[in-house]
Amino acid sequence: GAGVSQSPRYKVTKRGQDVALRCDPISGHVSLYWYRQALGQGPEFLTYFNYEAQQDKSGLPNDRFSAERPEGSISTLTIQRTEQRDSAMYRCASSRTRGAETQYFGPGTRLLVL
Amino acid sequence: QQPVQSPQAVILREGEDAVINCSSSKALYSVHWYRQKHGEAPVFLMILLKGGEQKGHDKISASFNEKKQQSSLYLTASQLSYSGTYFCGTETSGGGADGLTFGKGTHLIIQP
Repeated sequence: GAGVSQSPRYKVTKRGQDVALRCDPISGHVSLYWYRQALGQGPEFLTYFNYEAQQDKSGLPNDRFSAERPEGSISTLTIQRTEQRDSAMYRCASSRTRGAETQYFGPGTRLLVL
Repeated sequence: QQPVQSPQAVILREGEDAVINCSSSKALYSVHWYRQKHGEAPVFLMILLKGGEQKGHDKISASFNEKKQQSSLYLTASQLSYSGTYFCGTETSGGGADGLTFGKGTHLIIQP
């Protein structure tokens, strides 16, 4: 596609529910990154993939958070048993290859946990 | 470790210059600069790799001092469209995550 797309754009859920956030990277981009951005703050790294392999998940806050990219393209970030503190903008980015490459950000999914 | 950006906020008149700084306590492999407008995704400006290079396009340029672990973004003859929040994102040397560690941002307001 022309750019990184994410869905849904907005998600309101009740505490305790599971949510799945989807990211569709730029076509052909090898690397895919997940970030979380609180209001007024910079993006916070969560995890990233090269192709289908999850290279680093050190930024995931706890084991309720998981991510996959089974075919090396679309990725899903899943949050189980959501809590109010999980409310934030979740952004996906992709780059042509790994390393010092431009990361292109998607529009984000605004998650609100009630 | 999160890089430190300064200043936190700047208000300028159109046509004035601005400098935004980004400092890290860790050795840096690269520095990425982004601008984000309210309600939008961060937009890439430029990458600087270790080696002390300077880059620029149009009236926006940046430098990277590897020894000082600092980068600066220079906005010359600012335009109204430059308003937004500027973030530096850093990659530290020696591998590890290729995800970026972002600073808290510098808010830039350009007034006519």
